[in-house]
Amino acid sequence: GQNIDQPTEMTATEGAIVQINCTYQTSGFNGLFWYQQHAGEAPTFLSYNVLDGLEEKGRFSSFLSRSKGYSYLLLKELQMKDSASYLCAAMDSNYQLIWGAGTKLIIKP
Amino acid sequence: GAVVSQHPSRVICKSGTSVKIECRSLDFQATTMFWYRQFPKKSLMLMATSNEGSKATYEQGVEKDKFLINHASLTLSTLTVTSAHPEDSSFYICSARLAGEMETQYFGPGTRLLVL
Repeated sequence: GQNIDQPTEMTATEGAIVQINCTYQTSGFNGLFWYQQHAGEAPTFLSYNVLDGLEEKGRFSSFLSRSKGYSYLLLKELQMKDSASYLCAAMDSNYQLIWGAGTKLIIKP
Repeated sequence: GAVVSQHPSRVICKSGTSVKIECRSLDFQATTMFWYRQFPKKSLMLMATSNEGSKATYEQGVEKDKFLINHASLTLSTLTVTSAHPEDSSFYICSARLAGEMETQYFGPGTRLLVL
């Protein structure tokens, strides 16, 4: 079956770095997405990886290892506004997104 | 960039009534639109995929007679929750995809439905 696993909740300190891990199993693979979702709002796109390696975009970076079925989202210089849920989603062979349950990130001052 | 709107953003209705939610792609033509629902503290659950001019493809466990989807044009899809019940209360989100951009979905802002 298809499955996405990510931690339910993480806590970090303002200004620090946090890494959110995600493992996936899908029927075929057309890329790994990370979305940010604030409470009561729709997800907003953060990153897309389809090749192995690290993609850096400002304070956010995303890593993919296809052989391990593993990705992580790295957030640097954490700000209070980064408190949100982070959703990992893998796209299967039918270009359908398979969603993780999300990781709630709590930032403390 | 590609913008997707949803209307209404929030709706409260009585049990037994029907509610229509609109999803529009504002500055592009969406050959495919997706409808998701999300319960509190849960992830998005795909309800159905709709292609312009054809019948929607529903995911297992989603009642097609209860959740009517119409994708009449390349910029508009509607989801009608018929005979709504309190358990239908949820956050409904649509997304749209351009032809040729299979990897990208543009999300609407969501519609919060509360059935009393």
